[in-house]
Amino acid sequence: QKEVEQNSGPLSVPEGAIASLNCTYSDRGSQSFFWYRQYSGKSPELIMFIYSNGDKEDGRFTAQLNKASQYVSLLIRDSQPSDSATYLCAVNMDSNYQLIWGAGTKLIIKP
Amino acid sequence: EPEVTQTPSHQVTQMGQEVILRCVPISNHLYFYWYRQILGQKVEFLVSFYNNEISEKSEIFDDQFSVERPDGSNFTLKIRSTKLEDSAMYFCASSEAGTGSTGELFFGEGSRLTVL
Repeated sequence: QKEVEQNSGPLSVPEGAIASLNCTYSDRGSQSFFWYRQYSGKSPELIMFIYSNGDKEDGRFTAQLNKASQYVSLLIRDSQPSDSATYLCAVNMDSNYQLIWGAGTKLIIKP
Repeated sequence: EPEVTQTPSHQVTQMGQEVILRCVPISNHLYFYWYRQILGQKVEFLVSFYNNEISEKSEIFDDQFSVERPDGSNFTLKIRSTKLEDSAMYFCASSEAGTGSTGELFFGEGSRLTVL
């Protein structure tokens, strides 16, 4: 069974602090990893993708991938109230087309 | 900025009726997808479409469902004989490449289907 697991939260973080979101996946052969943000009632919006072990930074966002431990994380620096949303982890597992999605972590940034 | 457009935004139908959801993918994209999200649940893959044929489908995508690209721009999802459990948000997405390589998915705003 191909699974992507996330803590559902909510994760509450003060404004300006670092938010850390985690995701684990079941398939060791997974190739690509995506973080999406979803506001309530809206469609998922890509934040970052990562393919190689290590860190990848884009502005206030850093994705971290550890294939040996089968986890991927997303750090959000200088959190803003507008970052409050559900963050979805999606993984490509041995497929060129299908993404397997986690249930998402609800993030709340408190002013 | 190019975007994926979906119609209708909301459709209410009676159980047993047929529904067609429409999508216009981004024009230079080659891969098209339908995903669904039941309220409060995970996003679920339904089907991918490439080179005018289904490239992959999930267990959810049974004989009740079909997809079509009737012309050069539209991509449709047909649900025959809808059931209560088909009530969900249906997202169309497109990408330049498959998600196994560098395929960033661009999602439409979704079509909310309510089956009564």
